[in-house]
Amino acid sequence: GIQVEQSPPDLILQEGANSTLRCNFSDSVNNLQWFHQNPWGQLINLFYIPSGTKQNGRLSATTVATERYSLLYISSSQTTDSGVYFCAVRSNDYKLSFGAGTTVTVRA
Amino acid sequence: ETGVTQSPTHLIKTRGQQVTLRCSSQSGHNTVSWYQQALGQGPQFIFQYYREEENGRGNFPPRFSGLQFPNYSSELNVNALELDDSALYLCASSSTGFGYTFGSGTRLTVV
Repeated sequence: GIQVEQSPPDLILQEGANSTLRCNFSDSVNNLQWFHQNPWGQLINLFYIPSGTKQNGRLSATTVATERYSLLYISSSQTTDSGVYFCAVRSNDYKLSFGAGTTVTVRA
Repeated sequence: ETGVTQSPTHLIKTRGQQVTLRCSSQSGHNTVSWYQQALGQGPQFIFQYYREEENGRGNFPPRFSGLQFPNYSSELNVNALELDDSALYLCASSSTGFGYTFGSGTRLTVV
């Protein structure tokens, strides 16, 4: 099956800092999503982005499908940005495959 | 539009028992899938239902089974519970051309 690698595994930021999270995948995809998992376990959809660039407030994402990677940018980080960020992809089968996640801690 | 809702939120069961988890899909979504997330790991695909038929399954034993109903809601059943079944169980709904929307999960503890 498709392999998904996220980096870095852990990220500690000072409030107000910017950061970039990376997701590499091993095959072509027809679905790529970035999620933020809150402390209660819910996966919050940030972006549905199989290709191209999108922005939503302080967050933006870019997927370069031909080179098999996606980037999630967090600007002016806030303590509420803390949590685990997952990249998930779907190739030509029926399931989402998740990376191991990036744990982000934003300190006040 | 309503999101994905799961019940119950928490559950404690004894090894060997059976459990049923429930999920209501987002309005307009005809596909439901279930994922198991162990502590500190990413979610793992269990199976997917489309129009009441299972159309995909991950690497889980047959004691994990499911149903999808005409209104696209779904159940996950686990028989003969084992300690390793303790996890967060996530339900997601989707529709062709759109992404997946996840519920808030059911945290199952097997003792």
